[in-house]
Amino acid sequence: NAGVTQTPKFQVLKTGQSMTLQCAQDMNHEYMSWYRQDPGMGLRLIHYSVGAGITDQGEVPNGYNVSRSTTEDFPLRLLSAAPSQTSVYFCASSSRWTVTYEQYFGPGTRLTVT
Amino acid sequence: AQTVTQSQPEMSVQEAETVTLSCTYDTSESDYYLFWYKQPPSRQMILVIRQEAYKQQNATENRFSVNFQKAAKSFSLKISDSQLGDAAMYFCAYEEAAGNKLTFGGGTRVLVKP
Repeated sequence: NAGVTQTPKFQVLKTGQSMTLQCAQDMNHEYMSWYRQDPGMGLRLIHYSVGAGITDQGEVPNGYNVSRSTTEDFPLRLLSAAPSQTSVYFCASSSRWTVTYEQYFGPGTRLTVT
Repeated sequence: AQTVTQSQPEMSVQEAETVTLSCTYDTSESDYYLFWYKQPPSRQMILVIRQEAYKQQNATENRFSVNFQKAAKSFSLKISDSQLGDAAMYFCAYEEAAGNKLTFGGGTRVLVKP
């Protein structure tokens, strides 16, 4: 049981490039989310999904796209990277059927946009 | 929109002593969850403790306990018998009962002095 996995761990992009951050979970959780954490701040919600085929915007969705074709995977796409997107990105999953209803976080991806 | 405020950017505690971290939140909902997450330098997000708003009893987990004051919208974390391994960033987070979207505070850095 690997939990929530994210790839890559580190990434450097040039302004205007696009890329996809991968997230996968093997706990059969229906909920998955993407957060970003800027230096000295808490996490902010980018996009979330309540099940395969269903996604919605969070607090800071601009510049990002998501899709959820399977229960396990929830990739985050940066369409045209900007320096303001330099951040640490966390994927999380949870289920309303668990006792603690907690969100399980991946290890994070540190993204630098130059 | 819900907001979560942590007014203490940094707290210092002597090993084996007690420290209390403050958190206030704003919501018009009556049913929700509150969490404290720990983020060590590895940046992994680790759940410390959770509280359901409908429960009057304060949650405890070993050396960690909360003081939940629903009317005051206050949710403080007490760390007893502090250990060197408790040194980390601590984030207070709010989640509506109907969804899986976490709103985080700005964090409090805890330093533990030997």
